[in-house]
Amino acid sequence: DGGITQSPKYLFRKEGQNVTLSCEQNLNHDAMYWYRQDPGQGLRLIYYSHIVNDFQKGDIAEGYSVSREKKESFPLTVTSAQKNPTAFYLCASSLGRAGETQYFGPGTRLLVL
Amino acid sequence: AQSVAQPEDQVNVAEGNPLTVKCTYSVSGNPYLFWYVQYPNRGLQFLLKYITGDNLVKGSYGFEAEFNKSQTSFHLKKPSALVSDSALYFCAVRDFSGDKLTFGTGTRLAVRP
Repeated sequence: DGGITQSPKYLFRKEGQNVTLSCEQNLNHDAMYWYRQDPGQGLRLIYYSHIVNDFQKGDIAEGYSVSREKKESFPLTVTSAQKNPTAFYLCASSLGRAGETQYFGPGTRLLVL
Repeated sequence: AQSVAQPEDQVNVAEGNPLTVKCTYSVSGNPYLFWYVQYPNRGLQFLLKYITGDNLVKGSYGFEAEFNKSQTSFHLKKPSALVSDSALYFCAVRDFSGDKLTFGTGTRLAVRP
């Protein structure tokens, strides 16, 4: 069964804590993306990667970090520097760039305790 | 910089009536245009895209969209709405050489029985 999986579905963060969101795909896609969704603001790009061991900052990268050690995995760490982390986080992947369709995972909702 | 506008926060339509969800875009060069749908607490599902060719694009679940270059629009349409079409719809654009997909803020479609 091919697709994109994200875990956990819900994640709670305490003050000063780093948390990591998992994203895995078995679609053999080269490109992967992380978006943040807030009500009324659409999706905003955090980080993206077009190839293993390489990634680029998106529009709102501050307070976040990523790694791309394997083609199928692109974990996102929300650091303590991100002061307003409460949001719905979506991971996506695509075969390549430009006109290729991005396919999305089911999302992780991050809440602050 | 590329941008997308979805001028309506919400569209209300009766079941069986035609629906239109509006989208206008701004991009340098030829655009790649996408429509996605999101159900509550879920990831985005791809509906259709325009890359080149016929201005009328047909997609999933009976949806279609018309690309209008002179008006820089890409409105989503369906001839007969279903209650199950009620969801959040996102338009997105990518330019020919760009790495990033830019999303609109979304339009909530409510179909009443």
